[in-house]
Amino acid sequence: QSVLTQPPSVSAAPGQKVTISCSGSSSNIGNNYVSWYQHLPGTAPKLLFYDNNKRPSGIPDRFSGSKSGTSATLGITGLQTGDEADYYCGTWDSSLSVWVFGGGTKLTVL
Amino acid sequence: EVQLLESGGGLVQPGGSLRLSCAASGFIFSSYAMSWVRQAPGKGLEWVSAISGSGGTTYYGDSVKGRFTISRDNSRDTLYLQMDSLRAEDTAVYYCAKTEDWGSPTATGYFDYWGQGTLVTVSS
Repeated sequence: QSVLTQPPSVSAAPGQKVTISCSGSSSNIGNNYVSWYQHLPGTAPKLLFYDNNKRPSGIPDRFSGSKSGTSATLGITGLQTGDEADYYCGTWDSSLSVWVFGGGTKLTVL
Repeated sequence: EVQLLESGGGLVQPGGSLRLSCAASGFIFSSYAMSWVRQAPGKGLEWVSAISGSGGTTYYGDSVKGRFTISRDNSRDTLYLQMDSLRAEDTAVYYCAKTEDWGSPTATGYFDYWGQGTLVTVSS
């Protein structure tokens, strides 16, 4: 059971938009920055966002990150088949004194 | 270009030991914290451990505390993870990750570059 809660899966058609939620508490998301990662099994995970909504160079603006209270959201517009992957949120948990990931969300582009 | 190359994975019996290495290049290694993150088969990512740039401060997840030891050799630009008293549930792909914004009271941390991973299998 992850400290951060994500939906196990989401799906949408090519060209459509999808959002992935990440729910936590005041000890993690509520008082710390959130980062998001894209992971294709067997490959190196990729950083998509840090500090809630800052996009590293090379990440297209089809991807968006936001945070409100104790929840964070990853948005992807103009879905492409290449976006099919597992997506993880993560942050520091100040009460547990550990870094925590969400359980991951599998994105399927139908 | 930042590159991280893990090695040292393999098959080990329960109760055994293994040492993972991560060779880094493309950045000033000693200036950055580094972390290990793992993914068990069919499971999500799990943060394992982190170490400050100087190596003076270490951090561990609850599941490995007391069994794993993270260290680094800044003269060799290499990160290590000594894994002792291994259990079946330690079976996973282990990734090393360059870590930003780590260690200060207000820092959250994030992982901006990752290696390809090395597989550790604990089985008799």
